[in-house]
Amino acid sequence: EVQLVESGGALVQPGRSLRLSCAASGFTFDDYAVHWVRQPPGKGLEWVSGISWNSGSIRYADSVKGRFTISRDNAKNSLYLQMNSLRTEDMALYYCAKGRHGGIVARIDYWGQGTLVTVSS
Amino acid sequence: DIQMTQSPSSLSASIGDRVTITCQASQDISNYLNWYQQKPGKAPKLLIYDASNLETGVPSRFSGSGSGTDFTFTISSLQPEDIATYYCQQYDNLPLTFGGGTKVEIK
Repeated sequence: EVQLVESGGALVQPGRSLRLSCAASGFTFDDYAVHWVRQPPGKGLEWVSGISWNSGSIRYADSVKGRFTISRDNAKNSLYLQMNSLRTEDMALYYCAKGRHGGIVARIDYWGQGTLVTVSS
Repeated sequence: DIQMTQSPSSLSASIGDRVTITCQASQDISNYLNWYQQKPGKAPKLLIYDASNLETGVPSRFSGSGSGTDFTFTISSLQPEDIATYYCQQYDNLPLTFGGGTKVEIK
């Protein structure tokens, strides 16, 4: 069974940093691209970033480019999101999501339960 | 970026009704379209991929159609457990983009 378990969400002040983690199990992690998708409270879904199976291809939404960094550790079956210079508009539930194959441009087929990032002074 | 326009934003229907949701892409995305179901407090669940293929384990009352820029998602007979918000999502190009969602309620 595919499992994606996010952690690291917290209440942080604007301008501060936070690192999210996602622990994957139930599939061969290093065969697949993985993504971060966020959902502000009561709102819709926004793709944040994706990373290919070997980290050779990484892309970001314009809204986070230059502030967020995605990375993965295939030996630990883990995905990360380093978020710097956080803004109030970054406040959301952050989901870790699995792609259908190793490239970023593919459908997402499984999602974690999310970790909540609150940005407030 | 490819814009996904989903309608309606909400609907109310009776048990057993046929429910239809549409999604329009701002450019041709072939059939690279997903439909997700999200229940309150839960993660999205993939129902339909490649515009019309039913994900394993998903009830056959759910279906999808379309290609190019115009897509349709249908629940043939609405059940109480189908109360949720439904999203379309394109994966033809980056950034991956989602429709605004359709909240389905029971009348």
